[in-house]
Amino acid sequence: SSEVTQPLSMSVALGQPAKITCGGHNIGFKNVHWYQQKPGQAPMLVIYSDSNRPSGIPERFSGSNSGNTATLTINRAQAGDEADYYCQVWDRSAVFFGGGTKLTVL
Amino acid sequence: QVQLQESGPGLVRPSETLSLTCTVSGGSISSNGYNWGWIRQPPGKGLEWIGNIYYSEITSYSPSLKSRVTISVDTSKKQFSLRLSSVTAADTAVYYCAEWVGDWFDPWGQGTLVTVSS
Repeated sequence: SSEVTQPLSMSVALGQPAKITCGGHNIGFKNVHWYQQKPGQAPMLVIYSDSNRPSGIPERFSGSNSGNTATLTINRAQAGDEADYYCQVWDRSAVFFGGGTKLTVL
Repeated sequence: QVQLQESGPGLVRPSETLSLTCTVSGGSISSNGYNWGWIRQPPGKGLEWIGNIYYSEITSYSPSLKSRVTISVDTSKKQFSLRLSSVTAADTAVYYCAEWVGDWFDPWGQGTLVTVSS
């Protein structure tokens, strides 16, 4: 199975790092991608292939992937980072999205 | 950069077929290596993959929707399309089209809400 799981929600203090996890069996052997979705907007790619940032994405966004957990890290969280974050993998010719994590910046 | 725009009816009757089109601008739709996909999001819920179409016109579909989904491409119009048959209220969602790059989606269209109701 390539089901990937995320915490439903998390909060982070302004200026602190946020770490959003994406769990799955041996997910470390798969490429993991992350999307940010703000209310009323389409998802936007923020990390691809575990740890790569598309052009225009701030360096505060980084990713890692090992074992059974991939992690999206947002350093120095800002109010504008408040959004839903989804992880995604491709496995056995199918796309799997995590259920999404709602990030609140306090 | 490529831009995508979904279009189609916002209301579909139960048991009928949902049909949406995605128009691609700012790039090619037909050259080798260009691949496309559809994703949906029910109100207040997460993202669900529907299917992809590849430059070779090979398709792959979500197993849960496979029996009802058809994705096709019209290169002359720079469009690709989604058809979902026998819809029910559970198919009410915002439908997104996106470019499939490597094994991720980027960019995405703005999305279009389709409501299934009589």
